[in-house]
Amino acid sequence: DVKVTQSSRYLVKRTGEKVFLECVQDMDHENMFWYRQDPGLGLRLIYFSYDVKMKEKGDIPEGYSVSREKKERFSLILESASTNQTSMYLCASSDQRGAREQYFGPGTRLTVT
Amino acid sequence: GESVGLHLPTLSVQEGDNSIINCAYSNSASDYFIWYKQESGKGPQFIIDIRSNMDKRQGQRVTVLLNKTVKHLSLQIAATQPGDSAVYFCAVPTSGTYKYIFGTGTRLKVLA
Repeated sequence: DVKVTQSSRYLVKRTGEKVFLECVQDMDHENMFWYRQDPGLGLRLIYFSYDVKMKEKGDIPEGYSVSREKKERFSLILESASTNQTSMYLCASSDQRGAREQYFGPGTRLTVT
Repeated sequence: GESVGLHLPTLSVQEGDNSIINCAYSNSASDYFIWYKQESGKGPQFIIDIRSNMDKRQGQRVTVLLNKTVKHLSLQIAATQPGDSAVYFCAVPTSGTYKYIFGTGTRLKVLA
């Protein structure tokens, strides 16, 4: 079974703090994704990586950065957390060959106060 | 731009009845479609997929129908059970990339 794990299920941070969200997948997938999920807005892509050290902006990259130093790990960084970044953050991975479905982690619910 | 829409934000069905959840997409070149299920507090889970060269695909208690003429797909759940209560959304890859567009989801409520 594909496994995508995220470092925390729940996080509470203060405005202005630097926040790291980590994601690890164990299926040797090339692609990794970070989404945020808000009620009524569905899943919105923040950043996407198709290879180590490669990244591509998604639909809402402002206020976020990412790091992919190893194939299995993709980190999302909030440089200075703000209250409008309170959300559910979901990581996903997918293969570039054959099946194309994305496999999701359990999510991190981040609250910024 | 490309878009994906779901027809109903909420669907309530009696336990044992069949459920039908709909999704519309805009890009006629889309060649692959996925349905996900997301239970409360969990990440989305793959249910079933279908390629554009098919009209229908069946899984265990689920069937996906694809109508390319009107750019519509539906997920049918037979004999709906309480464990089917979740948000269901479709996903469509954007042209020429590995990225997906996701629908906003339909919340399925199963009534006892």
